[in-house]
Amino acid sequence: KAGVTQTPRYLIKTRGQQVTLSCSPISGHRSVSWYQQTPGQGLQFLFEYFSETQRNKGNFPGRFSGRQFSNSRSEMNVSTLELGDSALYLCASSFEVGAYEQYFGPGTRLTVT
Amino acid sequence: GESVGLHLPTLSVQEGDNSIINCAYSNSASDYFIWYKQESGKGPQFIIDIRSNMDKRQGQRVTVLLNKTVKHLSLQIAATQPGDSAVYFCAENPPSNTGKLIFGQGTTLQVKP
Repeated sequence: KAGVTQTPRYLIKTRGQQVTLSCSPISGHRSVSWYQQTPGQGLQFLFEYFSETQRNKGNFPGRFSGRQFSNSRSEMNVSTLELGDSALYLCASSFEVGAYEQYFGPGTRLTVT
Repeated sequence: GESVGLHLPTLSVQEGDNSIINCAYSNSASDYFIWYKQESGKGPQFIIDIRSNMDKRQGQRVTVLLNKTVKHLSLQIAATQPGDSAVYFCAENPPSNTGKLIFGQGTTLQVKP
């Protein structure tokens, strides 16, 4: 069974631009969570989607948004990029909502210049 | 805010020795805990999990111990190998039935040949 895939793997953007990251969960998994990982803050929860609905949101500004499609694939969008948005963005999938047995993808490394 | 802390940022062990990585969690009501391994350039890899109604769980070469009295979690790796070198994170699932895992800062395990 294929794991969680994320595209693109690497991205370089400039301040003020916007970016869209994509995540395909493990086949059969219906819940997708997004996390931001930085050296200073560690892994921080962004949001979770289940059945195309956002179920929970972390403490991030409204510039961070996401959505989930009927096939459980998910995208997250960051608008008006800031230097501090440079991070590894990780997607995790699980069979059901509730965080049990979350499996992570390789991440998208975003660099904002 | 809530946080899951690890006692040591770096642990250095000799190949073949046993490793013990510790973690202190903050929410006494958390009902589920996971250990992840993250190698350079990769996303976190699920190692082992434990529910709050258990105090010990064993996997292949790994054992997780949970002490709810002192809110302490540990990961024991038997016969540590060079391939075990990575950053190890513990994560807790607070009782909110969402996909929000709370991660510690991580412990870097270095295995000396």
